[in-house]
Amino acid sequence: AQSVAQPEDQVNVAEGNPLTVKCTYSVSGNPYLFWYVQYPNRGLQFLLKYITGDNLVKGSYGFEAEFNKSQTSFHLKKPSALVSDSALYFCAVRDYYGNNRLAFGKGNQVVVIP
Amino acid sequence: DTAVSQTPKYLVTQMGNDKSIKCEQNLGHDTMYWYKQDSKKFLKIMFSYNNKELIINETVPNRFSPKSPDKAHLNLHINSLELGDSAVYFCASSPTYDNEQFFGPGTRLTVL
Repeated sequence: AQSVAQPEDQVNVAEGNPLTVKCTYSVSGNPYLFWYVQYPNRGLQFLLKYITGDNLVKGSYGFEAEFNKSQTSFHLKKPSALVSDSALYFCAVRDYYGNNRLAFGKGNQVVVIP
Repeated sequence: DTAVSQTPKYLVTQMGNDKSIKCEQNLGHDTMYWYKQDSKKFLKIMFSYNNKELIINETVPNRFSPKSPDKAHLNLHINSLELGDSAVYFCASSPTYDNEQFFGPGTRLTVL
């Protein structure tokens, strides 16, 4: 079964500094990879996805992620963090070969310090 | 113009009661989901329907029963509520099961 690891519980970053949220995955076939963001008392919002093609994926709000097959990673990045980026970030993976389930990581709390 | 809506937003009830949560999407999507988010924010799939057909039925107590009257609606009925059912329940939809999902605002269920 597919799974996702988000090794850090919380990521603290100063406003204006680069932000990285780490994600590694495990699937039996080719992965479909997603990043979602959850603001307090809200549902999850889709940020970006990797299905196939270019390893660097650009998404909403200036976020991007790089698919690295050899390291089975899909880290989320933003060049310059904003205070409004403070939220809970989830990485998710689906196995390409027929398993309909999307497996979510435990989430990373991002705190951007003014 | 809410894409995925859930009612109610908050639900406080006593142990042993039966309750329902309703979900509607106006995106024309074929696939709908129910997720449970626990107090540690861990998110777990419970059910998924594709065109009113159940395609994912995770290991959840049979006190939980989904029902999809049409493609735009997926309701969740819970019988004999227990303390451990307290959580936030999210409905989501996607065009097909391999697209990104659009989440509703959640229903915070508190069982006393």
